[in-house]
Amino acid sequence: AQKITQTQPGMFVQEKEAVTLDCTYDTSDPSYGLFWYKQPSSGEMIFLIYQGSYDQQNATEGRYSLNFQKARKSANLVISASQLGDSAMYFCAMREGGTANSKLTFGKGITLSVRP
Amino acid sequence: NAGVMQNPRHLVRRRGQEARLRCSPVKGHSHVYWYRQLPEEGLKFMVYLQKENIIDESGMPKERFSAEFPKEGPSILRIQQVVRGDSAAYFCASSPRQGGNEQFFGPGTRLTVL
Repeated sequence: AQKITQTQPGMFVQEKEAVTLDCTYDTSDPSYGLFWYKQPSSGEMIFLIYQGSYDQQNATEGRYSLNFQKARKSANLVISASQLGDSAMYFCAMREGGTANSKLTFGKGITLSVRP
Repeated sequence: NAGVMQNPRHLVRRRGQEARLRCSPVKGHSHVYWYRQLPEEGLKFMVYLQKENIIDESGMPKERFSAEFPKEGPSILRIQQVVRGDSAAYFCASSPRQGGNEQFFGPGTRLTVL
């Protein structure tokens, strides 16, 4: 079974509007962390936001927020007030097993295009 | 305040040659991870190293691939006798501690095997 699932086709959003990028995950470990990364066309991987499985509140970082629904095993990324520079691939990733494990498992990514 | 450095950024090799990819982590970070990204795919974990130790190599192919992170100098991912299927982007990430909430990625090395 896929550990991280990102099934949305290419996403389009109008500049200044909000957009939600979906991510579901699969783990039986009670301790895990969820990450979102942005990969623009230049290729680098940019860390956006992190959510721990025991965190009580949804993570926020500037225009990025994570809609964490533990029972549904979903960790959707919400980007508010989209900008043209947000056009990129977005990857959801998970680290299982708490701090004893460090490797990340990535989804296949979602392409986001912001229209002017 | 340099981030993770990788070189070369682009590497072209012919089948059968060796490829050496270098990664200098963020200053002060002693944990390094290597990932591989095939076209149109997400990143796949390869190996996790601390200084002079391989901690987890569960994602490394059994043959031709090796990694090291010496006490001094960058981490090296070495691919011997490259084949066309090795063509990919190879990313290095570093963190200051095990299981940290952030892994800082380098810009990647794009390997093309002719």
